[in-house]
Amino acid sequence: AQSVTQLDSHVSVSEGTPVLLRCNYSSSYSPSLFWYVQHPNKGLQLLLKYTSAATLVKGINGFEAEFKKSETSFHLTKPSAHMSDAAEYFCVVSDYAGGGNKLTFGTGTQLKVEL
Amino acid sequence: KAGVTQTPRYLIKTRGQQVTLSCSPISGHRSVSWYQQTPGQGLQFLFEYFSETQRNKGNFPGRFSGRQFSNSRSEMNVSTLELGDSALYLCASSIGTSGRRSTDTQYFGPGTRLTVL
Repeated sequence: AQSVTQLDSHVSVSEGTPVLLRCNYSSSYSPSLFWYVQHPNKGLQLLLKYTSAATLVKGINGFEAEFKKSETSFHLTKPSAHMSDAAEYFCVVSDYAGGGNKLTFGTGTQLKVEL
Repeated sequence: KAGVTQTPRYLIKTRGQQVTLSCSPISGHRSVSWYQQTPGQGLQFLFEYFSETQRNKGNFPGRFSGRQFSNSRSEMNVSTLELGDSALYLCASSIGTSGRRSTDTQYFGPGTRLTVL
């Protein structure tokens, strides 16, 4: 089975500074990887996805992630944090099993943005 | 296009009761997946339905069940509720392509917050 590990449970940045949320994956084949964001009391919103077309993936709201096979990483970055970015972020891998695809979530990283 | 909708948004039940949650997928999507989110266990996969058939199932007891209708709408049922079933239940829909090379993307609804007293 495939899995993802989010290396930080909490990240705190100042508004206007860069954001880095780290994710490592484990997979026996080329995976489909995603980043989702969850604002308080809301559902999950897709930020971006990697499906082997390009290693640098651009998402919504200025976020991007780079797939690095040699490091088995898929870190999420943003050049300049905004207060509205404060939320929980999930790194996710799509696992093919039992005839269908299911998502396996990391434990989440809570991003705090301070003035 | 309308997004994934879930009803009800909030639900309070007592131990031993049963509950049914409903999910309407994005138009054209044939796959519906259900996830449970709790502070202790995080987000866990419950099951996936495609064309009215359960295609995949997570590690949950038989008290958790689901079904999908011909219009792709889905319901999940939890019987004999326990305190530990208190959670946010999220439904996600996708087109439904499968396989190791699948690029299918799941879109989530706002969730149903279930509280068991």
